[in-house]
Amino acid sequence: QKEVEQNSGPLSVPEGAIASLNCTYSDRGSQSFFWYRQYSGKSPELIMFIYSNGDKEDGRFTAQLNKASQYVSLLIRDSQPSDSATYLCAVNNGDNYGQNFVFGPGTRLSVLP
Amino acid sequence: NAGVTQTPKFQVLKTGQSMTLQCAQDMNHNSMYWYRQDPGMGLRLIYYSASEGTTDKGEVPNGYNVSRLNKREFSLRLESAAPSQTSVYFCASSDRQGLHQPQHFGDGTRLSIL
Repeated sequence: QKEVEQNSGPLSVPEGAIASLNCTYSDRGSQSFFWYRQYSGKSPELIMFIYSNGDKEDGRFTAQLNKASQYVSLLIRDSQPSDSATYLCAVNNGDNYGQNFVFGPGTRLSVLP
Repeated sequence: NAGVTQTPKFQVLKTGQSMTLQCAQDMNHNSMYWYRQDPGMGLRLIYYSASEGTTDKGEVPNGYNVSRLNKREFSLRLESAAPSQTSVYFCASSDRQGLHQPQHFGDGTRLSIL
């Protein structure tokens, strides 16, 4: 059974710090990796995706992928209180359609002013 | 531009009752999804539709049926509601043909089964 694991948190960081969110996955065939942000009581929103080993940067967000170690991380630089949310990691092994797109349980991030 | 619209936003049912959750998207997306979200378990796929006229089971399809009425609309039906179906339900859509990750989510339906 394909699994995606995340520390549930809460992860608390001070404003201006770097928040590091981690995700591990069990299926070595996984090909693409996604991060969603979900504010409390709201729906998830796609913020980043990464396919290749290494880093991908988008503004204050950096996704890091290490397929050999089967982990993907999200770094948030200069964290702001508005970044306080639950961050969902999702993994797709590329086969078929939505069946093999698995979400982790999410990590709750709290940025303290 | 409304994106993905779900109705209703809240619903309370009694065990054994039936209901249909409605979802519509105005982005001309091919793929649509129904997820449920429970505390500590993340989002789990119930059913998805890769294109108009096709539907397939996801991870947790038991107790649910779906209809892809047209390209815009994808409904989820609970035939005989059970307390285990108490959850937050999200509809999502995607225009990506290859990897089918959900891109846009509706606001969700908070469903309680008593």
